[in-house]
Amino acid sequence: RKEVEQDPGPFNVPEGATVAFNCTYSNSASQSFFWYRQDCRKEPKLLMSVYSSGNEDGRFTAQLNRASQYISLLIRDSKLSDSATYLCVVTLNTGGFKTIFGAGTRLFVKA
Amino acid sequence: DAGITQSPRHKVTETGTPVTLRCHQTENHRYMYWYRQDPGHGLRLIHYSYGVKDTDKGEVSDGYSVSRSKTEDFLLTLESATSSQTSVYFCAISESGGAGSPLHFGNGTRLTVT
Repeated sequence: RKEVEQDPGPFNVPEGATVAFNCTYSNSASQSFFWYRQDCRKEPKLLMSVYSSGNEDGRFTAQLNRASQYISLLIRDSKLSDSATYLCVVTLNTGGFKTIFGAGTRLFVKA
Repeated sequence: DAGITQSPRHKVTETGTPVTLRCHQTENHRYMYWYRQDPGHGLRLIHYSYGVKDTDKGEVSDGYSVSRSKTEDFLLTLESATSSQTSVYFCAISESGGAGSPLHFGNGTRLTVT
């Protein structure tokens, strides 16, 4: 079992749709959680951190469920420019900090 | 955007040749990392550095070595390139190695080993 698992997609949605991505992690010692966005042939860029209480940044909402060990990202009112791969990232303390990346979920937003 | 520059951006080399990739940062961050990204895999850590001359192995370190002689530069060397090392290589930095410190990536080096 992978330490961080994501549905690879692709998700194909029309502009204006709401889309949700889930990510599960296997290690209960996981401490910090992030969503990154990666455009085709570009570097990953931090989209948002994920906090226990949930957090929102404009059209993006991130949630964390520690009991079930999953993280979610909700995108409302999808734009063409949201088309990208979304990476779930978990950091855990194994004596030193270790950052684990999911393989990513591809999103295509179509006009 | 974080000031991270990778060079070269693209490289084609032959099997058995040595290759060095460079990462340069202007953020004065202590931690620097080398990752590789391949289809079907998440980003995988090759080596990382937690200070000048302080480095450690990641999960896929075989066939790679690193050096950090200055805070701003982190070099990744493939001693004898193999086709399995064809990949996209990303350098990343973080202010600390702690759990809450996100990584910021350079724009990547596409390496093809023929």
